[in-house]
Amino acid sequence: SQQGEEDPQALSIQEGENATMNCSYKTSINNLQWYRQNSGRGLVHLILIRSNEREKHSGRLRVTLDTSKKSSSLLITASRAADTASYFCATVFLRGTQGAQKLVFGQGTRLTINP
Amino acid sequence: DVKVTQSSRYLVKRTGEKVFLECVQDMDHENMFWYRQDPGLGLRLIYFSYDVKMKEKGDIPEGYSVSREKKERFSLILESASTNQTSMYLCASTSAHRSYNEQFFGPGTRLTVL
Repeated sequence: SQQGEEDPQALSIQEGENATMNCSYKTSINNLQWYRQNSGRGLVHLILIRSNEREKHSGRLRVTLDTSKKSSSLLITASRAADTASYFCATVFLRGTQGAQKLVFGQGTRLTINP
Repeated sequence: DVKVTQSSRYLVKRTGEKVFLECVQDMDHENMFWYRQDPGLGLRLIYFSYDVKMKEKGDIPEGYSVSREKKERFSLILESASTNQTSMYLCASTSAHRSYNEQFFGPGTRLTVL
């Protein structure tokens, strides 16, 4: 399977603390994306990091990518109760003759921010 | 504001029924996807389509078929629903014209097969 794996499966922290989630994958990638899913809803794209990038920032989000270790991490700083959600990493590789980019998702980290 | 919509948020069907799940996007995207999401298994790709009338099997196509007659609409069909198809179904779309493209997801359809 080319599926990514997130670690930890669940994380519970106090509001204001930083939250770190990790993702490992198995094959060479084109890019890696992080998504967020509020309970019972669709996924929302958070940030994309290309295979030739090592770190990227977006607001309170910081993503790192280590292609030698086939791993990525997502850091959320100064967490808020509204950050409570599941977070998924997704690796991208080309598929098929048409070059459609297929995403392969990990199983997600369930993050709970306690007020 | 870009949008992917799905025909139902919740659906209850009986075993053996034919089930249609519809997805519509307003972003003129070429690529559309159907996933199912189950606890402990994450998201798994059922089918995807890279153009009108074009489709390709994903990782778990058995028991499903799809239809894409118009660019904006991608339908997932359960020919004869079974209880093991009870799941959350998510539709997504993305542009084929960008090198690095995010997928836009619909809100999901929670299907229960009794």
